[in-house]
Amino acid sequence: DGGITQSPKYLFRKEGQNVTLSCEQNLNHDAMYWYRQDPGQGLRLIYYSQIVNDFQKGDIAEGYSVSREKKESFPLTVTSAQKNPTAFYLCASSTPWTGGSYEQYFGPGTRLTVT
Amino acid sequence: LAKTTQPISMDSYEGQEVNITCSHNNIATNDYITWYQQFPSQGPRFIIQGYKTKVTNEVASLFIPADRKSSTLSLPRVSLSDTAVYYCLVGVPLPLINTGTASKLTFGTGTRLQVTL
Repeated sequence: DGGITQSPKYLFRKEGQNVTLSCEQNLNHDAMYWYRQDPGQGLRLIYYSQIVNDFQKGDIAEGYSVSREKKESFPLTVTSAQKNPTAFYLCASSTPWTGGSYEQYFGPGTRLTVT
Repeated sequence: LAKTTQPISMDSYEGQEVNITCSHNNIATNDYITWYQQFPSQGPRFIIQGYKTKVTNEVASLFIPADRKSSTLSLPRVSLSDTAVYYCLVGVPLPLINTGTASKLTFGTGTRLQVTL
């Protein structure tokens, strides 16, 4: 089956620790994204990547870092500098834009709790 | 960034048509309008996308007036399984985003649709 996998589904960390969230896709998409969602809120873009070895900051990149060494993988590190890391994290990838329409495919999400 | 405004919540009975409107007054020329559906603790799922006029697929229709400052998602005959949060997204396909600028992908606050018998 083609799709996006995120692991783990639930993650618990102590304050002050860095943590890396995994995102893998086998859809052969060039573009990948990381979003953060807080309870009752919409999604906010953290980072996005258009192609391997390239990524750009989104709206709330502070305290986060990413890498894109392979097309299939776009891991997100939540650093100790992120003041409120507890949230639901969603990874997505998107179809190539051919001038018609484009669609983002989302993974199942990772719920991170930092205490 | 194009900011979007949607109703916080809507209620409907099963079998009715539901129309959810999104306001995006400062939409940019290159922005597309996309709607997603999200169930609790899951990632959003694409419903429909359009640039102008009307778009229809097997699950919904999207109406966009000429000025593009708003859009309406129409769900023809809702069922209990349509109970979810619906997001209006205004943004630019990645190939049109200039390198180094802030993202132009903006999710609205979402509309929580509750369908009952």
